[in-house]
Amino acid sequence: DTEVTQTPKHLVMGMTNKKSLKCEQHMGHRAMYWYKQKAKKPPELMFVYSYEKLSINESVPSRFSPECPNSSLLNLHLHALQPEDSALYLCASSPIVPRFNEQFFGPGTRLTVL
Amino acid sequence: DAKTTQPPSMDCAEGRAANLPCNHSTISGNEYVYWYRQIHSQGPQYIIHGLKNNETNEMASLIITEDRKSSTLILPHATLRDTAVYYCIVRVNSGGSNYKLTFGKGTLLTVNP
Repeated sequence: DTEVTQTPKHLVMGMTNKKSLKCEQHMGHRAMYWYKQKAKKPPELMFVYSYEKLSINESVPSRFSPECPNSSLLNLHLHALQPEDSALYLCASSPIVPRFNEQFFGPGTRLTVL
Repeated sequence: DAKTTQPPSMDCAEGRAANLPCNHSTISGNEYVYWYRQIHSQGPQYIIHGLKNNETNEMASLIITEDRKSSTLILPHATLRDTAVYYCIVRVNSGGSNYKLTFGKGTLLTVNP
């Protein structure tokens, strides 16, 4: 299995809702990532998990809350989002092996905040 | 991580080689050159990476100049499915915060029939 899967593919939520994005990989990768991509812009890193522990938080607002319950799963909990948070949210994973830690990306969840 | 400069767009005829340039004049000795691409509405896809030697895999070839200040990604026989934004990224490769990928604006390659 060489895939990173993300659910749901599309999500529409109101500013008072609580929702979660899910990411899963079965490649044995011990690094997992969340990126945010606005329309016509490159992906921007949000969080990095290494061995299920948060290792990088790129100053992301607290309304985004990541969670890594085990080595195969990565969640992004959303609460009280703003319309400007509408974007494609990409999950990725990679091995933790120097020189060979290329990242594998999922197809993304397209989020619309009303 | 070193900054990269890529042309915003390029065209290529189907079946011909696509040569995508990248300038990284401030690259340091321990930084690798990575290439990813993103087809419309999909997640980015890893293509190839290298340090100083030329590299080839089933998708592409990577040519890095001797001074390492620039590189070229070569798609030998471009198809319509190769139409995508191509990102050149340089970074160290030793773990920790170096897992981070910083995407620039990339090059939109359009392969025409």
